[in-house]
Amino acid sequence: AQSVTQPDIHITVSEGASLELRCNYSYGATPYLFWYVQSPGQGLQLLLKYFSGDTLVQGIKGFEAEFKRSQSSFNLRKPSVHWSDAAEYFCAVGAGQAGTALIFGKGTTLSVSS
Amino acid sequence: GAVVSQHPSWVICKSGTSVKIECRSLDFQATTMFWYRQFPKQSLMLMATSNEGSKATYEQGVEKDKFLINHASLTLSTLTVTSAHPEDSSFYICSARHTGLAGANVLTFGAGSRLTVL
Repeated sequence: AQSVTQPDIHITVSEGASLELRCNYSYGATPYLFWYVQSPGQGLQLLLKYFSGDTLVQGIKGFEAEFKRSQSSFNLRKPSVHWSDAAEYFCAVGAGQAGTALIFGKGTTLSVSS
Repeated sequence: GAVVSQHPSWVICKSGTSVKIECRSLDFQATTMFWYRQFPKQSLMLMATSNEGSKATYEQGVEKDKFLINHASLTLSTLTVTSAHPEDSSFYICSARHTGLAGANVLTFGAGSRLTVL
């Protein structure tokens, strides 16, 4: 069965510093991978997704993620964090085909210090 | 872009009453919608897959008689929490599948509905 692991429950980064959020997945075939952001009391906003092709994907708000099959990872990065990036970040995997139900990791809470 | 609307965004009800949450795809048709439940500070757990014109498929451990799902049209799925109890208090989020750019299937999420049962 597919699963997603986000090892870091909570991360604090200084404003302007770089960010990397880790995500590892377990899936037998090529997965469809996603990163979502959720602000308090809000729904999910898609940051970026990987279906196939270039393993480095660019998303919105300056985020990018790199798919590494050998490490079963899809880590999210941002070169310079802004205070407005403070939120909950979820990595998710879709099985079989794009548009199927997603399995989510437990999330990483990002705090940004000034 | 594709928009999914949930209503109500926040509802408070008394224990023992039933609550209906609507999930609408505003500018596209969705043959498949998914319902998730999120407890505070936790991840989203898939509850069921809702298919237009047929019965929903529930995940293991989800009571189908407790959480009634109806997908009567291509733009509307409803989740009814029957005889709600305080432990049903949660954030319920729906998502709808549609065809995005280049024909790829994508999911769009609603903003969620927060249920508080007193």
